Amino acid sequence: AQSVTQPDIHITVSEGASLELRCNYSYGATPYLFWYVQSPGQGLQLLLKYFSGDTLVQGIKGFEAEFKRSQSSFNLRKPSVHWSDAAEYFCAVSASYDKVIFGPGTSLSVIP
Amino acid sequence: DADVTQTPRNRITKTGKRIMLECSQTKGHDRMYWYRQDPGLGLRLIYYSFDVKDINKGEISDGYSVSRQAQAKFSLSLESAIPNQTALYFCATSATGGLHEQFFGPGTRLTVL
Repeated sequence: AQSVTQPDIHITVSEGASLELRCNYSYGATPYLFWYVQSPGQGLQLLLKYFSGDTLVQGIKGFEAEFKRSQSSFNLRKPSVHWSDAAEYFCAVSASYDKVIFGPGTSLSVIP
Repeated sequence: DADVTQTPRNRITKTGKRIMLECSQTKGHDRMYWYRQDPGLGLRLIYYSFDVKDINKGEISDGYSVSRQAQAKFSLSLESAIPNQTALYFCATSATGGLHEQFFGPGTRLTVL
């Protein structure tokens, strides 16, 4: 069965520091991979997605993610975090026609 | 205007009451979904619909029912609410053949006392 893990429940970084949020998935083939962000009081917004091709994908708000097949990972990165990046981040995978599986989320706090 | 809207945004109800959460979309998407979000569990799928005549159970459908009144409307009902159903509920849509990218509403925070 497909599954998604996000090992870090909560991360705190200083504004201007780099960020990496981890995501690992379990699936036999290459799934579709997504990162979503949920700001307080709002729904989820798609940051980026990977379907095929270049394993380094660029998203909105200066985020990028790298797909590593050998590690079954799809980690999200940002070189310099802004205070407005404080939010909940969800990794998601889809490998079947009808379902997207979401990870448990990582809560990001940013120290000014 | 928001593409996916949910009403109400917040609701407090009592155990045993029937409650309906509504979702409307202007994206023209055929597929619609209902999820619930609980801390530490991410989003779990309750029901999904690929068109007006298609309704499917998700992983946690017990205690819930849905109605797809039109392409643009998808309602979630709790026939007899229980405290365990206190959660944040999200509606989402996606396009057929759209490679599974989903678009979310702002959520409904439901509290069952």
